[in-house]
Amino acid sequence: NAGVTQTPKFRVLKTGQSMTLLCAQDMNHEYMYWYRQDPGMGLRLIHYSVGEGTTAKGEVPDGYNVSRLKKQNFLLGLESAAPSQTSVYFCASSYAWLAFTSVDTQYFGPGTRLTVL
Amino acid sequence: RKEVEQDPGPFNVPEGATVAFNCTYSNSASQSFFWYRQDCRKEPKLLMSVYSSGNEDGRFTAQLNRASQYISLLIRDSKLSDSATYLCVVTGSARQLTFGSGTQLTVLP
Repeated sequence: NAGVTQTPKFRVLKTGQSMTLLCAQDMNHEYMYWYRQDPGMGLRLIHYSVGEGTTAKGEVPDGYNVSRLKKQNFLLGLESAAPSQTSVYFCASSYAWLAFTSVDTQYFGPGTRLTVL
Repeated sequence: RKEVEQDPGPFNVPEGATVAFNCTYSNSASQSFFWYRQDCRKEPKLLMSVYSSGNEDGRFTAQLNRASQYISLLIRDSKLSDSATYLCVVTGSARQLTFGSGTQLTVLP
């Protein structure tokens, strides 16, 4: 049982390049999330999904796109990377929608450290 | 104003000490409350959920004060392994979980 995995673990991009981050979970969770974490800012929600084939915008969606074609996978795309997107990206999944219940948790992947030059 | 505010610390305490963290939140309609722990350069992991009546898990006690809109975390008999950043997480105004920026704890030998 791997939980939540993310690939790649590290990446360096040049401004204007594109890339896709892959998140996979093997817990059959409906809900999946992409966050970014910057120093002093806490985790901020980029996009999320409430089930296969669905996506929705979070707090900071600009410059990112996502897709959830399979229940176990959630992809985050950067179409034209900018230095402001230098960050640590975490994927998470959960069984329940945790804004309304405290009886579950989000399971996080190990993160992707992205640097945009 | 941030939706979730925490004292960033750092809190440096000796082994065996008791330490308390507070977290204030702005959304009076928040329904879910958590404390997560994040080790350096690692992913966050759930430490404990916070329930209205308060709850305890070993050396850790969490309290919720809805009237004053804050939650607290008390760690008794601190261990070196408790050194980490503690994240306060609550339901935000957009009905999604909102994370505080964390409080850094270092337990000294």
